[in-house]
Amino acid sequence: GQSLEQPSEVTAVEGAIVQINCTYQTSGFYGLSWYQQHDGGAPTFLSYNALDGLEETGRFSSFLSRSDSYGYLLLQELQMKDSASYFCAVRFKGRRALTFGSGTRLQVQP
Amino acid sequence: DADVTQTPRNRITKTGKRIMLECSQTKGHDRMYWYRQDPGLGLRLIYYSFDVKDINKGEISDGYSVSRQAQAKFSLSLESAIPNQTALYFCATSQSGQGETEAFFGQGTRLTVV
Repeated sequence: GQSLEQPSEVTAVEGAIVQINCTYQTSGFYGLSWYQQHDGGAPTFLSYNALDGLEETGRFSSFLSRSDSYGYLLLQELQMKDSASYFCAVRFKGRRALTFGSGTRLQVQP
Repeated sequence: DADVTQTPRNRITKTGKRIMLECSQTKGHDRMYWYRQDPGLGLRLIYYSFDVKDINKGEISDGYSVSRQAQAKFSLSLESAIPNQTALYFCATSQSGQGETEAFFGQGTRLTVV
């Protein structure tokens, strides 16, 4: 089926680098998005990869490899405020709306 | 003011009651969505609409209905609420042609069915 897989939880320390992976089972989609959600808050858009490769936005980078069927979100110079859930999302071909992964809860420790 | 506004923010209702969650947006987007969020399950699509006359079921539409009253308004109804509909509900919008890139979410409605 068409689904996205993410690790459920990741823990890292302040100042470190962390990578959150997103894998999928289909090649038919329009690009990979990432969203951040703080506890009690709304998901907010972080980045989008239409093509293979790395997209950089400040401390956050996102990568897509269609040939390897995965992408990742890279967070550098971690700060306590980065503690949140992170969701990957795609619009699969044949579907008209985004499908979200189950989310990865990132805990940043001092 | 928020671009995507959901009302109410919190609601407790009894089993069997009809309840409506409302969403309005000032972004001028044509596409609107209702998602449900449960712990460990991410965001699951309930219904979506690409225009005032366009209504489509998502992956978990059973027990729900929607109405797109205007381009800016999209409401979600639970005709007869049941406890397993207790969840956090999000409305979202996007613009056609950019729907794959960025969706904008409301602050959510926390619904408890007792």
